[in-house]
Amino acid sequence: GAVVSQHPSRVICKSGTSVKIECRSLDFQATTMFWYRQFPKQSLMLMATSNEGSKATYEQGVEKDKFLINHASLTLSTLTVTSAHPEDSSFYICSARGGLRTDTQYFGPGTRLTVL
Amino acid sequence: AQSVTQLGSHVSVSEGALVLLRCNYSSSVPPYLFWYVQYPNQGLQLLLKYTSAATLVKGINGFEAEFKKSETSFHLTKPSAHMSDAAEYFCALTAGNQFYFGTGTSLTVIP
Repeated sequence: GAVVSQHPSRVICKSGTSVKIECRSLDFQATTMFWYRQFPKQSLMLMATSNEGSKATYEQGVEKDKFLINHASLTLSTLTVTSAHPEDSSFYICSARGGLRTDTQYFGPGTRLTVL
Repeated sequence: AQSVTQLGSHVSVSEGALVLLRCNYSSSVPPYLFWYVQYPNQGLQLLLKYTSAATLVKGINGFEAEFKKSETSFHLTKPSAHMSDAAEYFCALTAGNQFYFGTGTSLTVIP
C-alpha cells in the first residue's frame, strides 16, 4: 500500500520550453501532496504544498509563476516548470499524504529534469 | 521551532559491522519521527517511523531506531551491515502539517 508514482522519470528539454511532471497516489486518496527539489548530494528542499481543490502554498523563494502546481483530484498533482532554463535542472520528487496515514509522507521515485 | 540534525554526512562501515546513524531533533510539540532511505536516482523509501507508541521502532531491512526524549535523539541502527545498505539516509520530523528533513547521511559499506 501507499504507492506514489511519478511520470516521467527522466526528461530532457530545450531551454525555454515547459515541462509537466505528474505525481499520482495509486492506492490511496492524497489530500495533500508535496513537491520537493533535490540538488546533488543534498537534502530535499520543499517547494510547495498542495491540497486537493485549492491553490498550492509555495515556500519562500519559490516562484509560483515558474513552478505551476495543480492538484485537481485526490490522486493526481502536476508540477509544470514553465520556460525552463538550465538552472532548473534538478531532481524533482513528489510526496503524498492522506487516507488513514495522515502522519506519513510517501514519496514518488523522482523525476530527473535536464534543461539544455 | 522544529529542526532535525544528522551528525555525520558520511559514515563508512565494514560489511557485517554495526550501523549507527545519528539523528537529533528539536521540537516544541511532541514529534513524529521518521527515517527514510534513498538509493541513487530514486525517491525516498520509508524505513520506519515513531508516532508516540513504543519507543523502540523496528523497520524494514533489519533497521531499528529508538526514540529517546531525554536525549532528543532518534538514532538508526542495524546490527550487521550488508552491501545493499549503501545509500543516503534521511531523518525527518513532522509537527502539524510541516515535515522537516535532516541533511542526510551517506552510508558506505566496505566489503
